[in-house]
Amino acid sequence: AQSVTQLDSQVPVFEEAPVELRCNYSSSVSVYLFWYVQYPNQGLQLLLKYLSGSTLVESINGFEAEFNKSQTSFHLRKPSVHISDTAEYFCAVSPSNAGGTSYGKLTFGQGTILTVHP
Amino acid sequence: EAGVAQSPRYKIIEKRQSVAFWCNPISGHATLYWYQQILGQGPKLLIQFQNNGVVDDSQLPKDRFSAERLKGVDSTLKIQPAKLEDSAVYLCASSLILEAKTQYFGPGTRLTVL
Repeated sequence: AQSVTQLDSQVPVFEEAPVELRCNYSSSVSVYLFWYVQYPNQGLQLLLKYLSGSTLVESINGFEAEFNKSQTSFHLRKPSVHISDTAEYFCAVSPSNAGGTSYGKLTFGQGTILTVHP
Repeated sequence: EAGVAQSPRYKIIEKRQSVAFWCNPISGHATLYWYQQILGQGPKLLIQFQNNGVVDDSQLPKDRFSAERLKGVDSTLKIQPAKLEDSAVYLCASSLILEAKTQYFGPGTRLTVL
């Protein structure tokens, strides 16, 4: 079984400041890692994902996340946030072992609300 | 490419009533998921279909919840009878195949049980 802990339920920050949203996970098998974003009154959108290879992954809108296997973490960062980044962010994992009963199943953290103030 | 469609977007019912939600996945997507998102929590998987077969329904409260995907395309999730604790957003997602690494989510149906 997998579990995901997002360490901050709310993160307020001023525009153009850096931000880090923290995510730790627990799993007995290898996992894929994801960050999803949910803007107000919209569905979840994939922000970025780690499947294999380079442990640093980037999104098209300036976010990045680094997979740290030893610390079982996948923290999300952005060096300079915008008002439009205000949203709820969810970290998620899914087993990477094909054939398991949980294959393809996403387990989410409880979410972090990022509020960017002018 | 059209996204995942869900209806209705909002539903208010009284406890012990029945309710149904509809989902139309992205065209050609074989795998369909229903999630329940309670306020302040992350989405929790209720049921996962591969075409019209159930892959995982271990977290579906089967005494009151049911879901079907008869022709391997659209899906319906039903609650009968509803309880206060069923108030949540019900999200539908789809992926091309079971082995796909990306799920695409619909806008969700917000259910309020009074």
